[in-house]
Amino acid sequence: NAGVTQTPKFRVLKTGQSMTLLCAQDMNHEYMYWYRQDPGMGLRLIHYSVGEGTTAKGEVPDGYNVSRLKKQNFLLGLESAAPSQTSVYFCASSPQGSSTRSTGELFFGEGSRLTVL
Amino acid sequence: LAKTTQPISMDSYEGQEVNITCSHNNIATNDYITWYQQFPSQGPRFIIQGYKTKVTNEVASLFIPADRKSSTLSLPRVSLSDTAVYYCLGGGYNNNDMRFGAGTRLTVKP
Repeated sequence: NAGVTQTPKFRVLKTGQSMTLLCAQDMNHEYMYWYRQDPGMGLRLIHYSVGEGTTAKGEVPDGYNVSRLKKQNFLLGLESAAPSQTSVYFCASSPQGSSTRSTGELFFGEGSRLTVL
Repeated sequence: LAKTTQPISMDSYEGQEVNITCSHNNIATNDYITWYQQFPSQGPRFIIQGYKTKVTNEVASLFIPADRKSSTLSLPRVSLSDTAVYYCLGGGYNNNDMRFGAGTRLTVKP
């Protein structure tokens, strides 16, 4: 039972390079999220998806793009990395509840530490 | 979208009961209130969730008053291993736009 798996776990980039973070969940969850967490700070929502083929912006979407081509995968892309994007990135997924009540419980991955030089 | 407000930090001693209160004045009618715990270099993990009144599980209790504008996480007899950041989150009906606040950094001292 893998749960939520993030790859890679560590990456060092140079300014201007591009990369993609992969989040995979094996729980058949409908909802997926990408957060970033800077040292000593709380989590900030970058983008999220409420189902396959859908994406939406969160609090801090600038500089990032996402795709949800398959239900189990949520990709976070940095087209031109900047030092300000140095952070730990967390992916989370959440199941859909009943038509009237949803639990809203988030299941998190272990994080991906990205450094942009 | 329920904005939450919590104390930035709290200190306690081993064996004490700790109560952390979260304010969520504009929580929606169908939203749940969920608390998460985060250790350094790890993703947050679910502690407890409730809609109203009191919920208790093996690690914590959650008290939610009738107006649901706040909630209190209660950790009985804390130990050093309970030192972590605790987040409350209002939402879940549509599971969209799940935003965390700054959290409460709890430090348990011997």
